[in-house]
Amino acid sequence: GAGVSQTPSNKVTEKGKYVELRCDPISGHTALYWYRQSLGQGPEFLIYFQGTGAADDSGLPNDRFFAVRPEGSVSTLKIQRTERGDSAVYLCASSYRAQNSPLHFGNGTRLTVT
Amino acid sequence: GENVEQHPSTLSVQEGDSAVIKCTYSDSASNYFPWYKQELGKRPQLIIDIRSNVGEKKDQRIAVTLNKTAKHFSLHITETQPEDSAVYFCAASMESYKLSFGAGTTVTVRA
Repeated sequence: GAGVSQTPSNKVTEKGKYVELRCDPISGHTALYWYRQSLGQGPEFLIYFQGTGAADDSGLPNDRFFAVRPEGSVSTLKIQRTERGDSAVYLCASSYRAQNSPLHFGNGTRLTVT
Repeated sequence: GENVEQHPSTLSVQEGDSAVIKCTYSDSASNYFPWYKQELGKRPQLIIDIRSNVGEKKDQRIAVTLNKTAKHFSLHITETQPEDSAVYFCAASMESYKLSFGAGTTVTVRA
């Protein structure tokens, strides 16, 4: 079946611009997660959704970052006033449920802020 | 929060030999320990995981061991093949969603 789908695969933007990154989870998965992976590092947790609500957003680095999942399926990660330090691969993952279910990652969106 | 350290950062092995990657974690409350394999430019893929009520788990050529007292866990790959070449990440969490990852081990299998 289809895995986690993320679009775009690559995004280049200028410093100060606004970007949106989209994630389409595996059908039937109620839990959705955003992670960020910098070059040569492991992924870092950003936010977790159970259904439509953000159950844990403790990993968001600052208030320029925001994510939504209005219908409990597709999620959008929004970054305002982008900075060069935001450049990374943004990974989305989903799982059947949050507890005791493995995470399935998408291929990520590579964000480059120039 | 949880802090996971992973060693070595790079590992080169001859095809057919074994590879071992070790991780330590800081939070004794962590109870879920997955391992992910990531090929260049691709998604991390879960290869094996273990929970704190189990000391060892094996799946074909891959095995993971967990020592809760010492707070460390290891990945063992036997009879390595060229397709095992990738970056391997360990992770730990108390809740399975909020994974804390190690920095990764780049494994190269020499033919």
